[in-house]
Amino acid sequence: QKEVEQNSGPLSVPEGAIASLNCTYSDRGSQSFFWYRQYSGKSPELIMSIYSNGDKEDGRFTAQLNKASQYVSLLIRDSQPSDSATYLCAVGGSTDKLIFGTGTRLQVFP
Amino acid sequence: DTGVSQDPRHKITKRGQNVTFRCDPISEHNRLYWYRQTLGQGPEFLTYFQNEAQLEKSRLLSDRFSAERPKGSFSTLEIQRTEQGDSAMYLCASSSNRGDYGYTFGSGTRLTVV
Repeated sequence: QKEVEQNSGPLSVPEGAIASLNCTYSDRGSQSFFWYRQYSGKSPELIMSIYSNGDKEDGRFTAQLNKASQYVSLLIRDSQPSDSATYLCAVGGSTDKLIFGTGTRLQVFP
Repeated sequence: DTGVSQDPRHKITKRGQNVTFRCDPISEHNRLYWYRQTLGQGPEFLTYFQNEAQLEKSRLLSDRFSAERPKGSFSTLEIQRTEQGDSAMYLCASSSNRGDYGYTFGSGTRLTVV
């Protein structure tokens, strides 16, 4: 079992819709959770962090964490073609090292 | 503060040659990380430093790989006797010592071993 699992996609949504990206992790001791966006050929860019159960909203982005289910998700409201990218879930444990999933490719079509 | 800088951006080398990459972190960040990413995969942890101390190194990392961070400033990653399987994007990231941390990545060095 991989430490951080994501569906590789692609996830295709129409412009203006809500995109829902999901991630599960195996280490119950994980304490910090991040979503990164990566455009093709570019390096990852941090877009959200979450540390406690519940929702955290930042603009069009909402991160959701459920530690009991070992599940973290990212919702993107009013999706735009510029949101088309690979979204990486990253999980941190007792050390500062982050473990990344393989990423989910999101395609937003006009 | 211009972010995390990596040099070179691209490197093509022949199999068996040694290569060295440099990373300059954000100046106030005391933690520095090296990751490797291949096509279709997420970044894979290689090693990380807090100041000049190398605190962890991936068990998957060959002895051909070595990293340094003299004086807790910039870092170098050296790969000796390169193999075709070393072809990847090498990413450097830095973070502060605050609780609400998150990495800031550099632009990466793309290595191609021919």
